[in-house]
Amino acid sequence: AQSVTQLDSHVSVSEGTPVLLRCNYSSSYSPSLFWYVQHPNKGLQLLLKYTSAATLVKGINGFEAEFKKSETSFHLTKPSAHMSDAAEYFCVVTINQAGTALIFGKGTTLSVSS
Amino acid sequence: GAVVSQHPSWVICKSGTSVKIECRSLDFQATTMFWYRQFPKQSLMLMATSNEGSKATYEQGVEKDKFLINHASLTLSTLTVTSAHPEDSSFYICSARVVSGSAYNEQFFGPGTRLTVL
Repeated sequence: AQSVTQLDSHVSVSEGTPVLLRCNYSSSYSPSLFWYVQHPNKGLQLLLKYTSAATLVKGINGFEAEFKKSETSFHLTKPSAHMSDAAEYFCVVTINQAGTALIFGKGTTLSVSS
Repeated sequence: GAVVSQHPSWVICKSGTSVKIECRSLDFQATTMFWYRQFPKQSLMLMATSNEGSKATYEQGVEKDKFLINHASLTLSTLTVTSAHPEDSSFYICSARVVSGSAYNEQFFGPGTRLTVL
């Protein structure tokens, strides 16, 4: 069965330092993977997606993620955190080969201090 | 990019009343829309898949008579919470799936509707 695990419920960084949000997945086929960001009381915004093309995916706002099949990981990184990056981040995986249904990780809260 | 709207953004109602939430795809047609529920500080849980012109498909544990879904057109799906109770208070988020173009099969999410039942 398909599943997604976000390894950290809360990550705290200082402004200007790197960000690493970890995500592992389990799938019986080659899934599509996404990272979404949600600011307080807001909807979801797609940061980036992997759909079997390049394994290093670049997204918006300086974020990128690398799909590592051998490690079943899709960690999200950013070289330098900004205060505006503070939000909830969800790693998402498709649960069927048609890609029509998604399951969400439990989320990681990113805090950025000045 | 594809835009999905929800209305209302926040609704407060008395226990026992029914509330309708609309989800619209503004610049594309969506044969499939999804309804999610999010409790405070928790992840999104898929409630149901809304298919244009046919019955919705509900996830296990979701009462279809409680959460009525109608997808009458290619740009509109509605979720009606019937006889709402305080435990139905939550953040409801819809998404619409793109079926053509560069964003094929990608889901675009609405901004969410906060339901508070008193």
